[in-house]
Amino acid sequence: DAGVTQSPTHLIKTRGQQVTLRCSPKSGHDTVSWYQQALGQGPQFIFQYYEEEERQRGNFPDRFSGHQFPNYSSELNVNALLLGDSALYLCASSPLGTSYNEQFFGPGTRLTVL
Amino acid sequence: QKEVEQDPGPLSVPEGAIVSLNCTYSNSAFQYFMWYRQYSRKGPELLMYTYSSGNKEDGRFTAQVDKSSKYISLFIRDSQPSDSATYLCAMNGGNKLVFGAGTILRVKS
Repeated sequence: DAGVTQSPTHLIKTRGQQVTLRCSPKSGHDTVSWYQQALGQGPQFIFQYYEEEERQRGNFPDRFSGHQFPNYSSELNVNALLLGDSALYLCASSPLGTSYNEQFFGPGTRLTVL
Repeated sequence: QKEVEQDPGPLSVPEGAIVSLNCTYSNSAFQYFMWYRQYSRKGPELLMYTYSSGNKEDGRFTAQVDKSSKYISLFIRDSQPSDSATYLCAMNGGNKLVFGAGTILRVKS
């Protein structure tokens, strides 16, 4: 059973560019959450998708947007990249109805903005 | 003030030691408390979760929650070099998880 997968593993962009990160959830999971983890910090919640809709959003600007597809996979898009967007971007999936909101994380995509 | 506070360490212990990792939090609405382990350049891996106050044991790991003090702990007995990682506490805030900054643990052989 494959866990959560993310692509690409690493990405280097320059300021002002746009980036798309991809996530496939664990088999049987239909909810996908995205987190940003800066160096030396804990993950910060960006947003969560369920039934192709954004269900909850954290304190991130509109430059961060997402999408969920009918097969439950998801994309995170970041526009007008800033140096401060350099971080590890983590995708987490969970089955609907998990009482304690257990989330399984992928290995992450490391984004470097120059 | 952050919702969840965690000492970043690093915490360095000899092999076989008992390790105590802690977090404090400010939001009394949190009900589920989790500990994740994160190895370098990997995603977080769920170790344990606890609902409300109380203790939970799993092998060498024990999680404690004291909601009256807004304080949670993770104890690791007989620590091994393979336990060297960053340990993140997390709590459920609606549909999202709220994480501490993580404590770096180094177990020396």
